[in-house]
Amino acid sequence: AQTIHQWPVAEIKAVGSPLSLGCTIKGKSSPNLYWYWQATGGTLQQLFYSITVGQVESVVQLNLSASRPKDDQFILSTEKLLLSHSGFYLCAWSLGGQENSDYTFGSGTRLLVI
Amino acid sequence: GEQVEQRPPHLSVPEGDSAVIICTYTDSATAYFYWYKQEPGAGLQLLMSVFSNVDRKEEQGLTVLLNKKDKQLSLNLTAAHPGDSAVYFCAALNNYAQGLTFGLGTRVSVFP
Repeated sequence: AQTIHQWPVAEIKAVGSPLSLGCTIKGKSSPNLYWYWQATGGTLQQLFYSITVGQVESVVQLNLSASRPKDDQFILSTEKLLLSHSGFYLCAWSLGGQENSDYTFGSGTRLLVI
Repeated sequence: GEQVEQRPPHLSVPEGDSAVIICTYTDSATAYFYWYKQEPGAGLQLLMSVFSNVDRKEEQGLTVLLNKKDKQLSLNLTAAHPGDSAVYFCAALNNYAQGLTFGLGTRVSVFP
């Protein structure tokens, strides 16, 4: 069975500090991977997607970057956090090459920037 | 790109009653639609996915209707119970971003 794991579960970080959030998918090779951001009480905004190792496409610029160093790993990061980065970050995967794939989400990382 | 509007933003439902959430989308070429449930502090739970050639789909007390002419998608919760209290999101496949475009969500509260 496929599993998706996000870490950390929650973070409290200072403005200007760096950030690294991780996502790992097990049990599925070559998945499409996605990062979404959800402001408190808001909807989900897609940030990045990746269809293969080493390739990441940006959807929305929020002074964040993403990388896919391994087939099963997706990293979201920034060197300097802003207050506006606070929120809930969700990683998701879908089957590569198939439009009719379900999109499965991880449990998310809650970030508070102070 | 695709835009999705969702209504109502809030819904209070007596236990045992039905509730309907409606989404409208803009891209007539959208092929897939999704409904997710989010409980407090949790990630998204997929409730149902619907291909655009389907007008109606029922699963476990949920009914999804797709009206392609009006570009409208609806979720009907029948016989609501307290465990249905959550935020519900509709989403449409965004071919441009290879991901999903979400509605703003509907907070459903089921009371005894």
